[in-house]
Amino acid sequence: GEQVEQRPPHLSVREGDSAFIICTYTDSATAYFYWYKQEPGAGLQLLMSVFSNVDRKEEQGLTVLLNKKDKRLSLNLTAAHPGDSAVYFCAVPGYQNFYFGKGTSLTVIP
Amino acid sequence: NAGVIQTPRHKVTGKGQEATLWCEPISGHSAVFWYRQTIVQGLEFLTYFRNQAPIDDSGMPKERFSAQMPNQSHSTLKIQSTQPQDSAVYLCASSFTGGNQDTQYFGPGTRLLVL
Repeated sequence: GEQVEQRPPHLSVREGDSAFIICTYTDSATAYFYWYKQEPGAGLQLLMSVFSNVDRKEEQGLTVLLNKKDKRLSLNLTAAHPGDSAVYFCAVPGYQNFYFGKGTSLTVIP
Repeated sequence: NAGVIQTPRHKVTGKGQEATLWCEPISGHSAVFWYRQTIVQGLEFLTYFRNQAPIDDSGMPKERFSAQMPNQSHSTLKIQSTQPQDSAVYLCASSFTGGNQDTQYFGPGTRLLVL
């Protein structure tokens, strides 16, 4: 079945620095790819979505890159701030459902 | 819109007891998904309903776990004879039609602790 690997599992950056998270996958459907954010004690909150025919999307300090040739999906938080501290998950569309990465725990140090 | 509602938010049970978790999807959504989240395994898919019918239960443990969706406004996940290894956060999500074409919206989760 579909395999999604997310790296790194833990990431610590200083406030104002960038945070980069990447997911690699083995296969995907033609549909939306997602990034979710999970704060402590909460569910997964939709962060950004990008359709499979889009290479790059930028929105409010977030940049998502999708390289379908290399089967890589990445999220870059530019100028991270402490409120960005959370666990981030990628979701890759399969043919019936979504496949989630194991998450990246991001800590932004003031 | 209240979003996906899960109750209870926290549940503590003794080993061998039964636990029932509830999920109310977003109004108008026809698909409901259940996931289990642990530190070690991450987010694991359990089961999925569309229009109240079970579509995929490939992630459900074969014993002690069952899920139902008796009407379009709620789904339940039942764990019989709970074991300490069942301790996890159980997340419910809903989407408009299900499958890979719609965004899944998640509830806050139920944190289950089995002593």
